[in-house]
Amino acid sequence: EAQVTQNPRYLITVTGKKLTVTCSQNMNHEYMSWYRQDPGLGLRQIYYSMNVEVTDKGDVPEGYKVSRKEKRNFPLILESPSPNQTSLYFCASRASLSTDTQYFGPGTRLTVL
Amino acid sequence: AQKITQTQPGMFVQEKEAVTLDCTYDTSDPSYGLFWYKQPSSGEMIFLIYQGSYDQQNATEGRYSLNFQKARKSANLVISASQLGDSAMYFCAMRDQGLVGFQKLVFGTGTRLLVSP
Repeated sequence: EAQVTQNPRYLITVTGKKLTVTCSQNMNHEYMSWYRQDPGLGLRQIYYSMNVEVTDKGDVPEGYKVSRKEKRNFPLILESPSPNQTSLYFCASRASLSTDTQYFGPGTRLTVL
Repeated sequence: AQKITQTQPGMFVQEKEAVTLDCTYDTSDPSYGLFWYKQPSSGEMIFLIYQGSYDQQNATEGRYSLNFQKARKSANLVISASQLGDSAMYFCAMRDQGLVGFQKLVFGTGTRLLVSP
């Protein structure tokens, strides 16, 4: 089954404790991205990746890092989480530049105390 | 900068009726794409429909159709024959080509649709 998976689905952590949210897709997609969803703000893009070793900032990259060492994986790293990073996070992938449909993962609800 | 505006925080519709969810956009790029996503209470984002800026005809997918009015920069979603399972948050989004290879998806703030029996 074609899908985008994220782990963990729910996470409660404390300020400053490094964490990684994993994202994996099994569709051999080139393009992957991370979004955060906050009430009243919709979804905002954090980072995206055009292919292996090619990443770039989205609208709200501060406090986040990403890596793309393999095509299928695109982890989101919070080196020193803060309470304002409490949010619902989505990973998404798309086959190529000429393909428009983005497939979203199930979401990761992160709470930073 | 690109912007998507959804002015309806919430909408109510009765089962079997049609409903229109509004979306206006702002971009200076001639090439762009418009999307609608559905987010049920379980949280996942479900792709519904896509319209390219150069597409001549309005997109349709089953009960969903996109009323694309380019001159007015609007891309309203029309759901025909609403069902109880249509109750969800709906997001309008835009993909902007920008410079070659630059891919950005901008979302509106969403409209919560409630379908009543």
